Amino acid sequence: EVELLESGGGLVQPGGSLRLSCATSGFSLRDYAMTWVRRPPGKGLEWVSTISGSGHYTYYADSVRGRFTISRDISKKTVFLQVSSLRTEDTAVYYCAKEDAVVGLTSFDHWGQGTLVSVSS
Amino acid sequence: SYELTQPPSVSVSPGQTARITCSGDALTKKYAYWYQQKAGQAPVQVIYKDNERPSGIPERFSGSSSGTTVTLTISGVQAEDEADYYCQSSDTTESYRVIFGGGTKLTVL
Repeated sequence: EVELLESGGGLVQPGGSLRLSCATSGFSLRDYAMTWVRRPPGKGLEWVSTISGSGHYTYYADSVRGRFTISRDISKKTVFLQVSSLRTEDTAVYYCAKEDAVVGLTSFDHWGQGTLVSVSS
Repeated sequence: SYELTQPPSVSVSPGQTARITCSGDALTKKYAYWYQQKAGQAPVQVIYKDNERPSGIPERFSGSSSGTTVTLTISGVQAEDEADYYCQSSDTTESYRVIFGGGTKLTVL
């Protein structure tokens, strides 16, 4: 059974940083791309970043490129999102999602429950 | 650039049919996917590759595609179907990104 469990969210001041984690089980990170999606309060889903199953390819939304970094640790079965230079508009629930293919930018067949990032002074 | 457009809201009575549309140029080149998100819960995929239904999703959920528009149809709507629904596709030509529609709030009257 596929399971995804996010952690690492919290309250942070503008300009601050956090490291979000997504612990996975039930599949191999080598076989599927992984993605972070966020939902700001009162708004819709927004794609943030994707890492391919090979780990060679990473993709970012324009709104986070240069500030966020996606990575993974195969041995720990965990995907990370390092979020830096945070802005108030980054406030959202961040979801980890498993894609249905190795290449990335396809679709999401399993989702975690999310972790809340609040950026406020 | 590719965008996906959905109506902000759709309202139906129990037992009726709800149709939620999603329009965008990307849909002529890429598949569409649909997700249901109930309040306080994670999204769940209800349709993939335009019209395929994942295992465990009730048969009353179906998808169709025509040109630049895809449609999620919920037949015999139940109170438990009240949720936000999002269409999704991707752009791997102009730029490499995933695209979500703005979401549609389905209200069961």
